[in-house]
Amino acid sequence: ELKVEQNPLFLSMQEGKNYTIYCNYSTTSDRLYWYRQDPGKSLESLFVLLSNGAVKQEGRLMASLDTKARLSTLHITAAVHDLSATYFCAVDALTQGGSEKLVFGKGTKLTVNP
Amino acid sequence: NAGVTQTPKFRILKIGQSMTLQCTQDMNHNYMYWYRQDPGMGLKLIYYSVGAGITDKGEVPNGYNVSRSTTEDFPLRLELAAPSQTSVYFCASSYWTGLGLEQFFGPGTRLTVL
Repeated sequence: ELKVEQNPLFLSMQEGKNYTIYCNYSTTSDRLYWYRQDPGKSLESLFVLLSNGAVKQEGRLMASLDTKARLSTLHITAAVHDLSATYFCAVDALTQGGSEKLVFGKGTKLTVNP
Repeated sequence: NAGVTQTPKFRILKIGQSMTLQCTQDMNHNYMYWYRQDPGMGLKLIYYSVGAGITDKGEVPNGYNVSRSTTEDFPLRLELAAPSQTSVYFCASSYWTGLGLEQFFGPGTRLTVL
């Protein structure tokens, strides 16, 4: 069964600093997704990574995918308070019925302090 | 488009009571999902549907039932509420882009069973 592990689960960082969140998964998959969730809110799609070596950037966030290592990273550059949220990675898998589903990591709760 | 809507937003149930969580999407997506999110955990798939009339179990289906009589609606039924079902419930719909799943989440229903 596919397992998705994120680390760290909690991250407190200062504004202006850089950091990376890691997402490892246990079986082969070519597609990986990153979501953001603000407290009390729903999940918002950030990135879809579709192939080995894929890199996507939006603002201070950059995501990459290494399918050989089964690893995705979400890099935060010069963090600002507005980036405080919980970040989830998710990986494509098949249900027992053969349909597509997403398997989520536990999330990384990021707090950016002034 | 309203996207994915869920009702109610909050609900408190007594042990043994039953209720239906409503989910509607107006994007004509075939795929719909119910997840639960417990504190510090990722999302766990309860049930999913690949189209009207077709539903199947996810990872944690016990204590729940679903139906899908139309493309738009995917209600989740709790028959005998238990404290272990205290959670935040998210409905999602998705379509296959040809390259990956584009998944849209509803705002969530926060359920407490006392």
